Amino acid sequence: GESVGLHLPTLSVQEGDNSIINCAYSNSASDYFIWYKQESGKGPQFIIDIRSNMDKRQGQRVTVLLNKTVKHLSLQIAATQPGDSAVYFCAEKAAGNKLTFGGGTRVLVKP
Amino acid sequence: GAVVSQHPSWVICKSGTSVKIECRSLDFQATTMFWYRQFPKQSLMLMATSNEGSKATYEQGVEKDKFLINHASLTLSTLTVTSAHPEDSSFYICSAPSLTGGLDTQYFGPGTRLTVL
Repeated sequence: GESVGLHLPTLSVQEGDNSIINCAYSNSASDYFIWYKQESGKGPQFIIDIRSNMDKRQGQRVTVLLNKTVKHLSLQIAATQPGDSAVYFCAEKAAGNKLTFGGGTRVLVKP
Repeated sequence: GAVVSQHPSWVICKSGTSVKIECRSLDFQATTMFWYRQFPKQSLMLMATSNEGSKATYEQGVEKDKFLINHASLTLSTLTVTSAHPEDSSFYICSAPSLTGGLDTQYFGPGTRLTVL
């Protein structure tokens, strides 16, 4: 994923609207991708994952899309709620179980 | 889902002292655990892979003599920050892979906030 150093890109979204968070990954050999949510002062929380043999996977209010051609991953959150405010990270896994994390996107939900 | 705990949740220490952080898998066994470091407003950076019964493997640029890792059992890994300095102040997070649901998903601990004065 893209590293953005000390500045996290921020997505401001109105409560009830849909959110789309994007992530570019770097390793074409990665075969497993995960989205994590991290609230302030806490560890990352698993949201949804997808294997490289799929291009879409849906969960409860969340959908992950994978475009291997351009090495792009997105997370869609439907009907965004205040509790969705957090930093979201994509992660990719290649050989072994080592994860490489993207730079993260902060989502702020406005009431 | 699988649960990973860390202890302590936060610690403040004086420069030059050593600090031990524990990572436990509570309801599953983990032959491998991972240690990450996260600075404010930044992403997680993998420091090392902890292997039960063998030596840890460290990522490039991580000093193995400074960050001692011991994976003493299938449910416990410890990270000791030796001779800590203010630049070691960070959020340290561990994770463990679990085969829950048939996929090799990593579950993260709640993190340990280390502040070195």
